[in-house]
Amino acid sequence: DTAVSQTPKYLVTQMGNDKSIKCEQNLGHDTMYWYKQDSKKFLKIMFSYNNKELIINETVPNRFSPKSPDKAHLNLHINSLELGDSAVYFCASSQVPGGTGELFFGEGSRLTVL
Amino acid sequence: AQSVTQPDIHITVSEGASLELRCNYSYGATPYLFWYVQSPGQGLQLLLKYFSGDTLVQGIKGFEAEFKRSQSSFNLRKPSVHWSDAAEYFCAFLASPGGGGGNKLTFGTGTQLKVEL
Repeated sequence: DTAVSQTPKYLVTQMGNDKSIKCEQNLGHDTMYWYKQDSKKFLKIMFSYNNKELIINETVPNRFSPKSPDKAHLNLHINSLELGDSAVYFCASSQVPGGTGELFFGEGSRLTVL
Repeated sequence: AQSVTQPDIHITVSEGASLELRCNYSYGATPYLFWYVQSPGQGLQLLLKYFSGDTLVQGIKGFEAEFKRSQSSFNLRKPSVHWSDAAEYFCAFLASPGGGGGNKLTFGTGTQLKVEL
């Protein structure tokens, strides 16, 4: 039973389109994240939600909009896709009783913008 | 500025040989430090972590890491590498240990490990 699952795993789309990636965790964690991994494998946090509330919002274009309907789900919607949005997007979750840094990652969603 | 650096982009070792992957950090206090591993096509998995106390920490899959404050380092080691250890390894740093900002991990740029049979 997958702990953190993301869909879709692969996404190929044209510039200007809008797309969504969904994430679900069954670990009972309170906190979820979106990370972006670029072509050089560099990982950067985008957003974090704690119990449905946005707590980290890095410098990300407002074309990216996260949404957490409940603490087990965190979705990422991207409007007006650009070539530079091509990357692997990772969802992660953690318990944050005080911040321990142990994140559980999904397998990633590879987005290719043509 | 708070940061973590992995000086080696690629490392190749023979199966059965020992391994050391380097990680250096820049931070004004004692950081929380982590090593994660990413196998091809997979998400990241935590290998080990250091918060405080014993500077030599043991992790999963036979890995260990040593925190050296004097060198601002947290190098990952394994005495004998297996072919299945081939993966990308990330050192990570927690900027706000115990703070209310959540787990804002900062990752290094990664070291790709290749294992020759």
